[in-house]
Amino acid sequence: EAAVTQSPRNKVTVTGGNVTLSCRQTNSHNYMYWYRQDTGHGLRLIHYSYGAGNLQIGDVPDGYKATRTTQEDFFLLLELASPSQTSLYFCASSAPAGTNERLFFGHGTKLSVL
Amino acid sequence: GDSVTQTEGLVTVTEGLPVKLNCTYQTTYLTIAFFWYVQYLNEAPQVLLRSSTDNKRTEHQGFHATLHKSSSSFHLQKSSAQLSDSALYYCALSLANSGTYQRFGTGTKLQVVP
Repeated sequence: EAAVTQSPRNKVTVTGGNVTLSCRQTNSHNYMYWYRQDTGHGLRLIHYSYGAGNLQIGDVPDGYKATRTTQEDFFLLLELASPSQTSLYFCASSAPAGTNERLFFGHGTKLSVL
Repeated sequence: GDSVTQTEGLVTVTEGLPVKLNCTYQTTYLTIAFFWYVQYLNEAPQVLLRSSTDNKRTEHQGFHATLHKSSSSFHLQKSSAQLSDSALYYCALSLANSGTYQRFGTGTKLQVVP
């Protein structure tokens, strides 16, 4: 079974703080994604990548940077955190389209910005 | 642009009765596949169903859905709801535009009551 591991599981920071969320997948998947989950909005795509060094902008990228350092590792960076970024963040990975491209999700990182 | 609409935020159904969760979509990009994901309390979303064939019924774990491109719909149904079906359900499209990614609806919370 595919595995996606996120760290930390919980994070509290202050407004203006610097936060890095980490994600590692051991599925040899090309694609990795960062989503945020908010009540009433569902899952919204922040950034995604289809390989090391590649980065694509999602639907809600403002205030977020991301970096894909290897095929396994994808990071989400909040350099000046704001209360509006308080959310549950999910990382996911998938195979390329047409090859059972279902998403495998990590268990999420709950971020609180005070 | 493209969007996924789930009109019901909450659906409450009595155990043993049928349930239907609605999903409609609009897309201008190449749509590769359609998904339903289920998220149980305090867990990550996981795939429930996938379909890419028009007018073909797809079934899994007692749930079924049929993609109807003529009406841009992919509704999820079950003939007899169980208490264990209580969860958050997401409809999603797999799209090809600058790589592939999945666009989610806002989710429908299904509450099955005795």
